[in-house]
Amino acid sequence: NAGVMQNPRHLVRRRGQEARLRCSPMKGHSHVYWYRQLPEEGLKFMVYLQKENIIDESGMPKERFSAEFPKEGPSILRIQQVVRGDSAAYFCASSPGTGDNQPQHFGDGTRLSIL
Amino acid sequence: DAKTTQPPSMDCAEGRAANLPCNHSTISGNEYVYWYRQIHSQGPQYIIHGLKNNETNEMASLIITEDRKSSTLILPHATLRDTAVYYCIVRLRGSGTYKYIFGTGTRLKVLA
Repeated sequence: NAGVMQNPRHLVRRRGQEARLRCSPMKGHSHVYWYRQLPEEGLKFMVYLQKENIIDESGMPKERFSAEFPKEGPSILRIQQVVRGDSAAYFCASSPGTGDNQPQHFGDGTRLSIL
Repeated sequence: DAKTTQPPSMDCAEGRAANLPCNHSTISGNEYVYWYRQIHSQGPQYIIHGLKNNETNEMASLIITEDRKSSTLILPHATLRDTAVYYCIVRLRGSGTYKYIFGTGTRLKVLA
């Protein structure tokens, strides 16, 4: 089975542009989580979605960031009007459910660089 | 804040067992402990998880103390490819959320 697929692996944007990060969960997984990792730090939770619904967005910045997980297609993390501080690795994880025996499985991330 | 604390770094000789400790003294009775590792420039890789019994799989063993306040991940025969940052996570539950709270992890270096 294919794992969690993220694209692009690397994304370069200039300040003020928009960044779109895509995540295709593992087959059969309907729960998606986004995390952000700054250099030399652990991952920080951003948002948790379950098909078409945002369940927990407590880690999302209040402005410029949004996430969706449509009925068809990948989950998208969108960052509008990017700034230098948005430079980070963004990881997506998925799980088939929320049971204790259903750990999250991560993709290899998108590394966003802001010029 | 993370519910776990880990030593920032450890070294282990190749071929020897690597024992990575984790303290989770505030864990609740029904919260599981999960272990992941992150090899440079890759996403976190799931290793193992447990509630109160010791667990073993093809990658590692997990020993959880009887009071559940701490656990140890054991890599029985460490190889150079096991060099990574290891994260011990207690999943945050409640109010419909199931997010992981990552700490800073233990940077394991396996030495030839």
